[in-house]
Amino acid sequence: DTGVSQDPRHKITKRGQNVTFRCDPISEHNRLYWYRQTLGQGPEFLTYFQNEAQLEKSRLLSDRFSAERPKGSFSTLEIQRTEQGDSAMYLCASSLDTYEQFFGPGTRLTVL
Amino acid sequence: QQPVQSPQAVILREGEDAVINCSSSKALYSVHWYRQKHGEAPVFLMILLKGGEQKGHEKISASFNEKKQQSSLYLTASQLSYSGTYFCGGYNDYKLSFGAGTTVTVRA
Repeated sequence: DTGVSQDPRHKITKRGQNVTFRCDPISEHNRLYWYRQTLGQGPEFLTYFQNEAQLEKSRLLSDRFSAERPKGSFSTLEIQRTEQGDSAMYLCASSLDTYEQFFGPGTRLTVL
Repeated sequence: QQPVQSPQAVILREGEDAVINCSSSKALYSVHWYRQKHGEAPVFLMILLKGGEQKGHEKISASFNEKKQQSSLYLTASQLSYSGTYFCGGYNDYKLSFGAGTTVTVRA
């Protein structure tokens, strides 16, 4: 097992464009999490899936953000009508139940 | 509400010890510790569960006082590789809330 992977690693987009990120968790992990991290801060929770069900969403996740995890495997995070304030590192993590979460390398988003 | 970490930063010489503290105002199911190096993803170090169970690795140990909702991470005989930002995460309501981090610099 190669761990959690994310694609793309870097994304530069213009304000107003839509972007989609992908996360492939560790295969036997049933939980998947999305976090956002800005410079000098710890990761902030965005949303969480248990298998294919999205069970928790942060108030940080505006209507422009949507996440899916079809068939309980990989997950996608889409941001519509991007704003400059969306620039951040988007981290995905997976875990087996409530135990340790393993993070992917992240997708760094820059909105111009 | 995110946990509060202290100190914000610490500078060590190789072989010295340090303690990083993390406190939460709400009851936690578990405390998770991570280390992040610049430009990289956080790397799992240690999980402390209610009831005293711990899982971790390396020469890093930690404690969790459930009554006070406080955790401490102990860096013993520090090595250059210990440099990075350490985050504690409080696990509750199905999610981790991370502190602002403690930046550790280990110098030769």
